[in-house]
Amino acid sequence: QQQVKQSPQSLIVQKGGISIINCAYENTAFDYFPWYQQFPGKGPALLIAIRPDVSEKKEGRFTISFNKSAKQFSLHIMDSQPGDSATYFCAARGFGAGSYQLTFGKGTKLSVIP
Amino acid sequence: DAGVIQSPRHEVTEMGQEVTLRCKPISGHNSLFWYRQTMMRGLELLIYFNNNVPIDDSGMPEDRFSAKMPNASFSTLKIQPSEPRDSAVYFCASSFYIQETQYFGPGTRLLVL
Repeated sequence: QQQVKQSPQSLIVQKGGISIINCAYENTAFDYFPWYQQFPGKGPALLIAIRPDVSEKKEGRFTISFNKSAKQFSLHIMDSQPGDSATYFCAARGFGAGSYQLTFGKGTKLSVIP
Repeated sequence: DAGVIQSPRHEVTEMGQEVTLRCKPISGHNSLFWYRQTMMRGLELLIYFNNNVPIDDSGMPEDRFSAKMPNASFSTLKIQPSEPRDSAVYFCASSFYIQETQYFGPGTRLLVL
């Protein structure tokens, strides 16, 4: 089953807090796990991505944690800001010849309140 | 770079009418993707082109949907006839290479009455 399950559906965090969004996948052939950020009226934009040869990747306030054995990965947003309020999508894709299709989670709407 | 350009940004039409959505990918990108986004189903890949050739259209929901890419700088997604259940936001995305980062356009919000 080519599915990526994302939770929670919505999240409210106070400014300065940590936002955590979780995703789980089933297909062990998935080898590339990006997170996309989407603002209202805009298309999704790549935020950060990880491959399963590392357990964590950090870019500024954004960190992906990856647990290959559990087939789970998560996005942590440290020191969350009102400008981070957006919908976040996790995704997964195989890597190799013919692998191009991103399978997206259903999205998490994050609201950061002052 | 202007990014991926889509037109129109909003489209309201009546059931049974033909709808044509347009996309201009980022210059130099050779892969183009059409997605549909709804609350119920999230983001779904409809069709993928590589070097202007359709590679996989298995996501196209019905024969009412068709897509073309006559050249490297233009693609269309056509729905004929349109139905209310086609109401969604349609995104076009392009990438430099098949497995590189996909850059999404702003989307076309379609409402079929």
